[in-house]
Amino acid sequence: NAGVTQTPKFRVLKTGQSMTLLCAQDMNHEYMYWYRQDPGMGLRLIHYSVGEGTTAKGEVPDGYNVSRLKKQNFLLGLESAAPSQTSVYFCASSYIGEGWETQYFGPGTRLLVL
Amino acid sequence: SQQGEEDPQALSIQEGENATMNCSYKTSINNLQWYRQNSGRGLVHLILIRSNEREKHSGRLRVTLDTSKKSSSLLITASRAADTASYFCATDGGSGNTPLVFGKGTRLSVIA
Repeated sequence: NAGVTQTPKFRVLKTGQSMTLLCAQDMNHEYMYWYRQDPGMGLRLIHYSVGEGTTAKGEVPDGYNVSRLKKQNFLLGLESAAPSQTSVYFCASSYIGEGWETQYFGPGTRLLVL
Repeated sequence: SQQGEEDPQALSIQEGENATMNCSYKTSINNLQWYRQNSGRGLVHLILIRSNEREKHSGRLRVTLDTSKKSSSLLITASRAADTASYFCATDGGSGNTPLVFGKGTRLSVIA
């Protein structure tokens, strides 16, 4: 099992450019999440999905869109990148349990917006 | 939004010593989780403790939960240089509708 994988590992964008980050999991998890991590800020939830075809906003959704067309994939899009979106992005997935269960994280994508 | 807050922000100890990190939160929870992050890597789950549990062990890790004080502690015994990492607590919203919220973490340095 590869677990949770993220593509790409690193990207440099110019302000105004768009891009899509891909997250894939092979654990048949229902829930998937996108976080950003900035120095001193911990992890902040951008969007999440509780199943194929469903998405919901997290704490910091502005400037991002997501899609969950397939159960194993969760895409994070930046339509018009801004320097404030320079960050490390982590994807995670979890199974359905008694509540919000253990999350399995990908290795991260480092994004630099110039 | 509810958030666990870890204390201290940074901790430096000698190899072989015990390391204790604390997490406080604001509202009721269903469970509290601890994660580790090595530099430049994704988070790795360590322990999940449910609201009806008071203590859990996993190898050299011991987690306690005091729901009356809304706090948890993570103890790493006989620390090793490889334990150097950031440690995060994460709490859910209690009602079941709010995904996990992560604290800002404790940065642990274990000096050989």
